[in-house]
Amino acid sequence: DGGITQSPKYLFRKEGQNVTLSCEQNLNHDAMYWYRQDPGQGLRLIYYSQIVNDFQKGDIAEGYSVSREKKESFPLTVTSAQKNPTAFYLCASRTGQTADTQYFGPGTRLTVL
Amino acid sequence: QKEVEQNSGPLSVPEGAIASLNCTYSDRGSQSFFWYRQYSGKSPELIMFIYSNGDKEDGRFTAQLNKASQYVSLLIRDSQPSDSATYLCAVNGDSSYKLIFGSGTRLLVRP
Repeated sequence: DGGITQSPKYLFRKEGQNVTLSCEQNLNHDAMYWYRQDPGQGLRLIYYSQIVNDFQKGDIAEGYSVSREKKESFPLTVTSAQKNPTAFYLCASRTGQTADTQYFGPGTRLTVL
Repeated sequence: QKEVEQNSGPLSVPEGAIASLNCTYSDRGSQSFFWYRQYSGKSPELIMFIYSNGDKEDGRFTAQLNKASQYVSLLIRDSQPSDSATYLCAVNGDSSYKLIFGSGTRLLVRP
């Protein structure tokens, strides 16, 4: 089955810890994205990558880091510098051909204990 | 700062009625417009996209775009309780690789 997978579904972090959220896609999409969603809010862009080994900061990149070593994978690390990391994290991808349409993975819900 | 505005709702309609969801955007240069549906606790799923002024129909859904007035709307005909969700409007940003999302309108369809 083609799609976007994210793991884990739920993640609990202690204060001061770094955690890494996984995002994998087998759609052969060029571009990948990470968004954060807080309760009752829209999606805010954290980082995005248009091609392998290249990525750009979004609107709220502070306290986060990413890598894009493979086309299929775009992991997000939430560092201890992110002061309020509790949120729903969504990974998305797009083809680069079908205009701007982005498709989302199922999300990871991160809670800081 | 480019913005996309939506009424947070909830918009409550009876089953079988037409639900009308609206969205305005600030960037006149935007070219692509999207509607996503998001059920509680789930990720957004694409319903429709529209690029040209006018209407685009897909089943019970119709997207309407008016670039001169900078608004895009989504009509849901014969609303069903299963349509109860938050609907997110998204507009392409300063590059075709980025989308700007509104905060969403919560729709409740009463049986």
